[in-house]
Formats: sequence, C-alpha cells, structure tokens
Amino acid sequence: LAKTTQPISMDSYEGQEVNITCSHNNIATNDYITWYQQFPSQGPRFIIQGYKTKVTNEVASLFIPADRKSSTLSLPRVSLSDTAVYYCLVVLNNAGNMLTFGGGTRLMVKP
Amino acid sequence: DTGVSQDPRHKITKRGQNVTFRCDPISEHNRLYWYRQTLGQGPEFLTYFQNEAQLEKSRLLSDRFSAERPKGSFSTLEIQRTEQGDSAMYLCASSQIDPYQETQYFGPGTRLLVL
Repeated sequence: LAKTTQPISMDSYEGQEVNITCSHNNIATNDYITWYQQFPSQGPRFIIQGYKTKVTNEVASLFIPADRKSSTLSLPRVSLSDTAVYYCLVVLNNAGNMLTFGGGTRLMVKP
Repeated sequence: DTGVSQDPRHKITKRGQNVTFRCDPISEHNRLYWYRQTLGQGPEFLTYFQNEAQLEKSRLLSDRFSAERPKGSFSTLEIQRTEQGDSAMYLCASSQIDPYQETQYFGPGTRLLVL
C-alpha cells in the first residue's frame, strides 16, 4: 500500500478554512484516497473519499491533482468541534484489505 | 442507530484473565474488520472476515487472540491470558463489497485496561 505523509499537527481559528495536504507519491492506479476523522475515545469517522479531481460532500471537499501524488482535505469554516485527528489513507480498490493508518494530523481549532 | 456497535465500551481486567468483545456490523455489510489502537497511534489492522470466513490475520494477532463470525453477522474477539501490553482500544469496522470504492465504517470501540 502507498505510504502517506501528512503534517503532524495544525492550528486554526474558528470560521477559517483548513486545508490538510497528504502526499502519497507511490499511489497505484487502482488506489483511492480516503480521509477519516477521529475524536478522543471514539472510533474513526469516515469523512470523504475520491479517486481523482474534486469530491465534495456536506462535510468537506477533497482535491486530487492529475498526478494523484497528493491530496488536500478542505474543511470550510471550522468550529471548535472540528478539533480532532485527521487520517489520510490510500486504499487498494476492492482488495478487502486492511486500512493502514499513519499518525494523522492533529487539528486544533482555537476560538 | 444503524451504525456499527461494540460491547462492552470499557473493560478492566486483571492480567491472566480472558476477555471477549462483541461487534455488530451495519446490517448486510459482508466484511467485518478488527483493529487495535494504542494511545497516540493510528489504528492497526488485526483481522477481517468476509461473511463468516476469516480471510486475513495480522502478525499482531498472537495465538492468544481469536476472532469468530459464526453466522456472518456479529463477530467476537477473544483475548486469552491477557497481558498488560494488550491494553488498547479495540475497534471494529464493517463494509459492503463495492466494485469501485469500499468504505469501512467504524464502531465506537472497546477500551481494554489490563491491570
């Protein structure tokens, strides 16, 4: 599975847009990109996933450039409740395989 | 609530005791996964089932660990002769096979403390 690299931590303020970039230089043709959010003492919560270009849902947007070697999770107008760890994962399509989590990005939203 | 559920949410046990955790996946999800997460780390894969068949096991799953999914619905994870190093959050996730993008949905986890 492609290894991912993302910042260890980020700080932001309420109301700002937050962009978390993840690099995955060795992504393979059949891999897709998935992001999870995790609060302390809870299981990871699925946020968004995509294969290429841009994906948007009610929570976030995911931008994937043409070479797919990186991706950016965009959280619009964050609030204090968005303080969490965000994990970027590259997943082999339909392999029934395990998810390989890295250390994630600890986002701290300040008032 | 139609999400993944896990029971118990918390378990404190003494070293050497056996413990069993249960996971109820999202209805009709045919894949079920177990992960373990220690403080400050991301979850680590332990094993997964497709229907009732256990298809893959991590080297983290020592002989003291056993998982079952007897009817292809709920699953149990048993740890025998617990050790202090087994203290962790045990997470269950389920998914539906998808030809394009499979999404795993996680339960709230069972936090185990071995004294």
